[in-house]
Amino acid sequence: GQQLNQSPQSMFIQEGEDVSMNCTSSSIFNTWLWYKQDPGEGPVLLIALYKAGELTSNGRLTAQFGITRKDSFLNISASIPSDVGIYFCAGPNPLNDMRFGAGTRLTVKP
Amino acid sequence: DVKVTQSSRYLVKRTGEKVFLECVQDMDHENMFWYRQDPGLGLRLIYFSYDVKMKEKGDIPEGYSVSREKKERFSLILESASTNQTSMYLCASRRDSPLHFGNGTRLTVT
Repeated sequence: GQQLNQSPQSMFIQEGEDVSMNCTSSSIFNTWLWYKQDPGEGPVLLIALYKAGELTSNGRLTAQFGITRKDSFLNISASIPSDVGIYFCAGPNPLNDMRFGAGTRLTVKP
Repeated sequence: DVKVTQSSRYLVKRTGEKVFLECVQDMDHENMFWYRQDPGLGLRLIYFSYDVKMKEKGDIPEGYSVSREKKERFSLILESASTNQTSMYLCASRRDSPLHFGNGTRLTVT
């Protein structure tokens, strides 16, 4: 099936710093999704992207759907302690399931 | 708001036991999914179902089976639990994008 490569695997940053993570695919996606998983919880949708080149914001979060349709980026500006968690990229598989990246574990030091 | 409920947050089972993980959703979604989450591997699809009594294998179905007798309920069954099935199990549902997740069941097989 389609593979999603997400990087970096983990990040340790200081509160107030900006964060950037990305996801690449071996094949084209028509939708890119970004999820966040808080400790002890299930993943929750942050941003959905439906068109190549689309740039979408949700508060301090901004995500972009790459022009090639094989990549996506998530940026977090001015990080705060509650940004801690695991961030996953995801895209739909033609077989009706969803493919996920391995996740980026974010730690924010106050 | 969509609610996906997993019956147990934590389970401890012995090797060889038959284990049932239950998931219920309240939004009449056709599609339901079982994922397994392991550090560094992200979310891997075990099985999914697109309708009552219908099921499809995901990437790692070996050692698992599923049951969907009612639209709102999707059960994951470990026929004979093994230590390598110790993991976090996440149930999800959707009609179209995006997926809505439960809070997970952390299973330990000793």
